[in-house]
Amino acid sequence: SQTIHQWPATLVQPVGSPLSLECTVEGTSNPNLYWYRQAAGRGLQLLFYSVGIGQISSEVPQNLSASRPQDRQFILSSKKLLLSDSGFYLCAWSVHSDQPQHFGDGTRLSIL
Amino acid sequence: AQSVTQLGSHVSVSEGALVLLRCNYSSSVPPYLFWYVQYPNQGLQLLLKYTTGATLVKGINGFEAEFKKSETSFHLTKPSAHMSDAAEYFCAVSSAQGAQKLVFGQGTRLTINP
Repeated sequence: SQTIHQWPATLVQPVGSPLSLECTVEGTSNPNLYWYRQAAGRGLQLLFYSVGIGQISSEVPQNLSASRPQDRQFILSSKKLLLSDSGFYLCAWSVHSDQPQHFGDGTRLSIL
Repeated sequence: AQSVTQLGSHVSVSEGALVLLRCNYSSSVPPYLFWYVQYPNQGLQLLLKYTTGATLVKGINGFEAEFKKSETSFHLTKPSAHMSDAAEYFCAVSSAQGAQKLVFGQGTRLTINP
């Protein structure tokens, strides 16, 4: 069966520090991969998606970037974190457009 | 472009009462519709989905939703609420095109009163 792993579960970082969040999927090949951010009391905002290795689409201009170095690995990064980067970050995968996306357990990021 | 509106950011019902969470969507192409549930500090879990075929879809935990094209709605219902249903619920829409980008509603927080 397919599984998705996100880490770390929680992270506290100072303003201006770098960021690297990792997401890996097991049990499937060539998935579509997604990064979402959920700000407090708000819905989910799609940040990036990827349909293949090295293929990244950005949905909103921001201080973050994403990379997909391997088929089932998706990384969210920042060179310098801002206070506004705080939130709950969720990774998801899917294989077909009529199938649901499956979500990881998320990373709670707090910027001090 | 697609969009989702969830009417009511907070819904409160008594245990055993009917649960009704409203979702209206906008889509220029035939939509795929999903309901997800999120418990505190967790990811999203799929409750049910509509892609094609039967417009009344049944999901996990006794939930069901009906796709009404004429009303552009996909409301979520459960006949009898249980305390464990307390969570945040998200409606989402996508299409068959491209990389299946989901557009989410703002969410509805469901509270169950004993």
